[in-house]
Amino acid sequence: EPEVTQTPSHQVTQMGQEVILRCVPISNHLYFYWYRQILGQKVEFLVSFYNNEISEKSEIFDDQFSVERPDGSNFTLKIRSTKLEDSAMYFCASSLSGGGDTQYFGPGTRLTVL
Amino acid sequence: AQSVTQLDSQVPVFEEAPVELRCNYSSSVSVYLFWYVQYPNQGLQLLLKYLSGSTLVKGINGFEAEFNKSQTSFHLRKPSVHISDTAEYFCAAFLMNTGFQKLVFGTGTRLLVSP
Repeated sequence: EPEVTQTPSHQVTQMGQEVILRCVPISNHLYFYWYRQILGQKVEFLVSFYNNEISEKSEIFDDQFSVERPDGSNFTLKIRSTKLEDSAMYFCASSLSGGGDTQYFGPGTRLTVL
Repeated sequence: AQSVTQLDSQVPVFEEAPVELRCNYSSSVSVYLFWYVQYPNQGLQLLLKYLSGSTLVKGINGFEAEFNKSQTSFHLRKPSVHISDTAEYFCAAFLMNTGFQKLVFGTGTRLLVSP
């Protein structure tokens, strides 16, 4: 069964450094998402992406964050200058269509900012 | 504001006992509702979803949920749990006809099944 994959599974970085989290969505899906979960808190929406542009973003997704689909398979989340509070589990998801279609999640990348 | 509430952060239960995990939502618009499960060190896996039609929805692994519009609830149930059901369970809502694409999640309920 097709699945969403994410790399790395765990990333440790120093505050102020740039990180890129990578995702490979399910191949025929058209909508892509990033969510994050700070330890002990709820899963929060960051951004959705369709047709090579951001379709929606939350207030968390400020200028330090960017997303990109550099080729036909990868979907990346970049944090330009990490802060301690960016430490969280980051989940990538994809769906075939929008409008409430099931979003399939990857296993997550645990980001630790020191 | 739209929100999803899971009142129970942790539910301990013995194997083969029934379980109900509670989920309530608050929304000014109609919603689709989902339950996801997260096993240790894994991603979120869809258990079941309610879009429309029958209010009783059956999912994988013997789980079911009932949509109750008057009580704005979507509680998850299983008549007999297994040790392997130990996991974190998340209720989520999708806002219909708003143009938004995001899922709004509850805080999760940890189900602990013991022998």
